[in-house]
Amino acid sequence: SQKIEQNSEALNIQEGKTATLTCNYTNYSPAYLQWYRQDPGRGPVFLLLIRENEKEKRKERLKVTFDTTLKQSLFHITASQPADSATYLCALDGYGQNFVFGPGTRLSVLP
Amino acid sequence: EPEVTQTPSHQVTQMGQEVILRCVPISNHLYFYWYRQILGQKVEFLVSFYNNEISEKSEIFDDQFSVERPDGSNFTLKIRSTKLEDSAMYFCASSEGTGRQPQHFGDGTRLSIL
Repeated sequence: SQKIEQNSEALNIQEGKTATLTCNYTNYSPAYLQWYRQDPGRGPVFLLLIRENEKEKRKERLKVTFDTTLKQSLFHITASQPADSATYLCALDGYGQNFVFGPGTRLSVLP
Repeated sequence: EPEVTQTPSHQVTQMGQEVILRCVPISNHLYFYWYRQILGQKVEFLVSFYNNEISEKSEIFDDQFSVERPDGSNFTLKIRSTKLEDSAMYFCASSEGTGRQPQHFGDGTRLSIL
């Protein structure tokens, strides 16, 4: 069955450092991979989408990489701020396959 | 910025009763979705809807669930005979265009089954 893992349930980092979150998957052939942010009691908010033929995507302080050989995506937040504290979800999307979210990583950026 | 709105924000229902959760997607979006998130667990896909019919559904979306777009703006999820395990946050989402696009989520309806 399809499985998505995100490196850790929780990650604490110091303000100003780069946060790196990992998403690994098995038994899935994604055409797209998306990253979302979810704050407590709120719906997920879209951040970045990367296609299977793209290696890297950037948006402001965010960077996503996608390695279909390793079946892995890395999500980086540079110069992290306390306001970046949230749960980050990766999501896979493939033709003929349901959209699937990972369990999320709860990021805490400490001042 | 346009947003997806969901009502009610919290619904409390007796087990066995029917509930209807309502969503107003972003007006120019063509694809609509329902997800659920049981407390402390991951967001789970239920169903996607395009061109007035279900395009994909998960194993969770069994015969007790149905979706409808009764008019040009609303998108509803009906649960026919609720069970205790239906207690969860239910999120509606919409996306524009054809194929895979970023999804815009509402802030959910918290459904509590007693």
